[in-house]
Amino acid sequence: AQTVTQSQPEMSVQEAETVTLSCTYDTSESNYYLFWYKQPPSRQMILVIRQEAYKQQNATENRFSVNFQKAAKSFSLKISDSQLGDTAMYFCAFMNQFLAYSGNTPLVFGKGTRLSVIA
Amino acid sequence: ETGVTQSPTHLIKTRGQQVTLRCSSQSGHNTVSWYQQALGQGPQFIFQYYREEENGRGNFPPRFSGLQFPNYSSELNVNALELDDSALYLCASSFTSGFPDTQYFGPGTRLTVL
Repeated sequence: AQTVTQSQPEMSVQEAETVTLSCTYDTSESNYYLFWYKQPPSRQMILVIRQEAYKQQNATENRFSVNFQKAAKSFSLKISDSQLGDTAMYFCAFMNQFLAYSGNTPLVFGKGTRLSVIA
Repeated sequence: ETGVTQSPTHLIKTRGQQVTLRCSSQSGHNTVSWYQQALGQGPQFIFQYYREEENGRGNFPPRFSGLQFPNYSSELNVNALELDDSALYLCASSFTSGFPDTQYFGPGTRLTVL
């Protein structure tokens, strides 16, 4: 079974600065997908960024980028130029690629990191 | 907004009762997944429905069951409620075509069991 660990329960960052959220995972699979989801106080979970394990290049989406280290099973999220609207719970999640091919796409989530952006 | 809605927003039940939670997926999405999020925890996968049939289940007992309808709506039913069932229940819809697509989450239903 896969597990996802987020070791930072809470973090804070000054507006306009950069912050990195950590995530490690444990799996025996070689093909999988990794995700970062954001859950603002309104509760609706939103996809931030996604990484396919077979891709060596780190994914980026505007101010959000990841540092994917497959051998270390590490998947950190970097938020640049932090904005007040980035305040939220951030969840790292894992999906088994083999299962996904059969249409079975459960996400395995970590416990989350609560990020506060301070003005 | 993700285009996925859930009802009701909040619900209070007593132990032993039954509850039905509803989800309306994005138009065109053929897959709906349900997750349970206990306070201070990440969501846990309950089960997934693809084209109206269950095609994956997490570590949840049979008293958790579901239905998916052709009109992009779905239900999560929980029988014989226990105190530990108190949580935020999230549904997520996606389009499955052999490759994982983004799962779009609803705002959730907060269930409290007394």
